[in-house]
Amino acid sequence: SQQGEEDPQALSIQEGENATMNCSYKTSINNLQWYRQNSGRGLVHLILIRSNEREKHSGRLRVTLDTSKKSSSLLITASRAADTASYFCATAGRSNDYKLSFGAGTTVTVRA
Amino acid sequence: EAGVTQFPSHSVIEKGQTVTLRCDPISGHDNLYWYRRVMGKEIKFLLHFVKESKQDESGMPNNRFLAERTGGTYSTLKVQPAELEDSGVYFCASSHRTAEQYFGPGTRLTVT
Repeated sequence: SQQGEEDPQALSIQEGENATMNCSYKTSINNLQWYRQNSGRGLVHLILIRSNEREKHSGRLRVTLDTSKKSSSLLITASRAADTASYFCATAGRSNDYKLSFGAGTTVTVRA
Repeated sequence: EAGVTQFPSHSVIEKGQTVTLRCDPISGHDNLYWYRRVMGKEIKFLLHFVKESKQDESGMPNNRFLAERTGGTYSTLKVQPAELEDSGVYFCASSHRTAEQYFGPGTRLTVT
């Protein structure tokens, strides 16, 4: 069964706006990671947040984690056309932290 | 530093034929993983190597799939004989430790 589920499935925003997407998961985790996939390319690792962390920043990215609600959010601030991509959350379990479980992804389109 | 590379980028074969996918991990990464995404579904874990040893192959769909990593460097994933439902994108990833996995661009497999 799917561990991570992203919401929304698709998002269209204007350049300069912020984009927020959410991820919910089912079982206890060691960490949660966000990846980006541009069309036809591989997955690019964006950020990792551990289960004992609540918030993490990397450039224009802000990730939060609420383990009590089993959810995470990814915020991209001041979006650019180059941010157009699919975004995936992936969880690593406590007992097997090498095995990533992915959600179906959120497709983000940034309009110029 | 070169990233994870995969070959071929796209393969089209007929049902019943054999296909071998190759992955070259980042130099020095002992951990190597295979994932796949079949149409409309989420990315799923197939297996994990540490050097040349299979640590976990619980995600391999059936015995038509064989992964090897002789010498602990590059890995191959052979599908024999291929079936229609094997179509999808096969990703390889590598990591130094298990936390952050670096993905290749994927091989798109089409079985007709």
